[in-house]
Amino acid sequence: DAGVTQTPRHEVAEKGQTIILKCEPVSGHNDLFWYRQTKIQGLELLSYFRSKSLMEDGGAFKDRFKAEMLNSSFSTLKIQPTEPKDSAVYLCASSLGGNNYAEQFFGPGTRLTVL
Amino acid sequence: QQKVQQSPESLSVPEGGMASLNCTSSDHNFQYFWWYRQHSGEGPKALMSIFSDGDKKEGRFTAHLNKASLHVSLHIRDSQPSDSALYFCAASLSGSFNKLTFGAGTRLAVCP
Repeated sequence: DAGVTQTPRHEVAEKGQTIILKCEPVSGHNDLFWYRQTKIQGLELLSYFRSKSLMEDGGAFKDRFKAEMLNSSFSTLKIQPTEPKDSAVYLCASSLGGNNYAEQFFGPGTRLTVL
Repeated sequence: QQKVQQSPESLSVPEGGMASLNCTSSDHNFQYFWWYRQHSGEGPKALMSIFSDGDKKEGRFTAHLNKASLHVSLHIRDSQPSDSALYFCAASLSGSFNKLTFGAGTRLAVCP
């Protein structure tokens, strides 16, 4: 069974560029999460979808971050425009959902460097 | 202030030794707790969950939960070099649609 897939694994962008990160969740999972991971802030939730509906958009990340789930098997995270402070690892996770304690399965992440 | 706090920040144990990681919460609404482990270059992976007071054992790993004090711990017996990783405690609220709040993590190094 395929796990969560994320592409690309590494991305280098110039300040002001638009970048799009991609995620394919585990087949049959209803919940999808985008996180940002930095050494200082740890794991921060950016977006949360349940059955393709946006449940949470991460408050502070609204301005330049936009996650979309066009179908149940594909999600994108757009950062526009990028800033050097966006340099981080972006993780996608999926879960069966259905209750408050289902395990989340993480992808390997995309390491973003903004110059 | 983070709602899920972990200690210590880093820990070093000899191979074969016992590693003990701690987690406390400031929110009594947290009902469900998880331990996740992240090896370098990978995403976090769930180790075990604990939802009821007491101990839960899975192989070399034992989790303990005290809901009254909101304290969760993870004990790793017979630690192996492959256990070297970043360990996260995570908690979810009842009715939170499966949203997890993560602690900052404890970095464990197991020295051969």
